[in-house]
Amino acid sequence: SQQGEEDPQALSIQEGENATMNCSYKTSINNLQWYRQNSGRGLVHLILIRSNEREKHSGRLRVTLDTSKKSSSLLITASRAADTASYFCATDAAGYSTLTFGKGTMLLVSP
Amino acid sequence: ETGVTQTPRHLVMGMTNKKSLKCEQHLGHNAMYWYKQSAKKPLELMFVYNFKEQTENNSVPSRFSPECPNSSHLFLHLHTLQPEDSALYLCASSPRDRGSIQPQHFGDGTRLSIL
Repeated sequence: SQQGEEDPQALSIQEGENATMNCSYKTSINNLQWYRQNSGRGLVHLILIRSNEREKHSGRLRVTLDTSKKSSSLLITASRAADTASYFCATDAAGYSTLTFGKGTMLLVSP
Repeated sequence: ETGVTQTPRHLVMGMTNKKSLKCEQHLGHNAMYWYKQSAKKPLELMFVYNFKEQTENNSVPSRFSPECPNSSHLFLHLHTLQPEDSALYLCASSPRDRGSIQPQHFGDGTRLSIL
């Protein structure tokens, strides 16, 4: 069954606003990763957060992880038109050796 | 430039054709992956190779046949495909770590259309 599921499916904001995307999963994990995919391109790794971490930052990105709720959020601050893309969470379930991806959130940032 | 190159970028083929997709990574990684990405579906893992050995086959139909001659190259041989096989096929690579899954580096994919 699907491990990670992003919410919302689509998000439309103006440049300069913050964008928040959520990911829920079902089983225990070793780590959770976020990826970005621009139209017509492959996925690009953004950030990895381990199961014993609660928050991680990378530039304008902030990721939180709540293992008790089996959920994660990705916050993009001061968004730019270039942030327009689909964003995916991927989980590395404990006991498994592969990543499971969600369906993604499509983010549109308008100038 | 992600360090993972896929060719061709686009492929149109009939159901009776035989073709191959190619993936090459220049990152020194020892794990390589094939994924299928269809509209409105999660990314589906197809095959995993570690140190040239296949370690995962995610119940993929036999009309898809992978080949990994060395740690830098991965092929996906296609024959007698169905219309539902039309999708974006993505290759990825990563360092192999027994403790946890390392970030994967993706190519830009091959957009496959079956007529």
